[in-house]
Amino acid sequence: DAKTTQPTSMDCAEGRAANLPCNHSTISGNEYVYWYRQIHSQGPQYIIHGLKNNETNEMASLIITEDRKSSTLILPHATLRDTAVYYCIVNNNAGNMLTFGGGTRLMVKP
Amino acid sequence: DADVTQTPRNRITKTGKRIMLECSQTKGHDRMYWYRQDPGLGLRLIYYSFDVKDINKGEISDGYSVSRQAQAKFSLSLESAIPNQTALYFCATSDPTDRGYNEQFFGPGTRLTVL
Repeated sequence: DAKTTQPTSMDCAEGRAANLPCNHSTISGNEYVYWYRQIHSQGPQYIIHGLKNNETNEMASLIITEDRKSSTLILPHATLRDTAVYYCIVNNNAGNMLTFGGGTRLMVKP
Repeated sequence: DADVTQTPRNRITKTGKRIMLECSQTKGHDRMYWYRQDPGLGLRLIYYSFDVKDINKGEISDGYSVSRQAQAKFSLSLESAIPNQTALYFCATSDPTDRGYNEQFFGPGTRLTVL
């Protein structure tokens, strides 16, 4: 599975959009981009995934560049409860295993 | 009730002791996983199972063993615990046929301390 690079930490004001970047320059054509988050030592929680097209669900939006070498997770109106570590993971589904890097620690501030 | 449960939630033990961590799921998933998380780091895969009687090593299997007793149960054992196995342990389940993608559902974690 391709390796990902994320900033170690980010801050965001409550109510504003949080934009979390991820680089995955070695991604293969059959690999998906997944985002999970982990709130304070709880089990990680799935957020969203995508292959080529931008995706949106009730939690977030995922923007994938045309060359698929990077992506951005967008939390449109961040709340204090969105404070967590966010993991960007590239996976080809077939092996069904996730490789977690260090993630981005997002701090949402009042 | 939680879909993925882990017992115990916290455990303190001594070096050399045998420890078993239990995971149960009610999601009906075939695939189950054990991960380990050290402070400030991401999760690392220890073992995984795609079905009953199917066992596969992950990234860091040394010092651990697992048992898949039934579809719903996946146990992780530390045969002789050592202090550097002190960590947070997570169980997860998935089923690639569920909506056709790789969403894993995680348990609440077991905090293990080896003295």
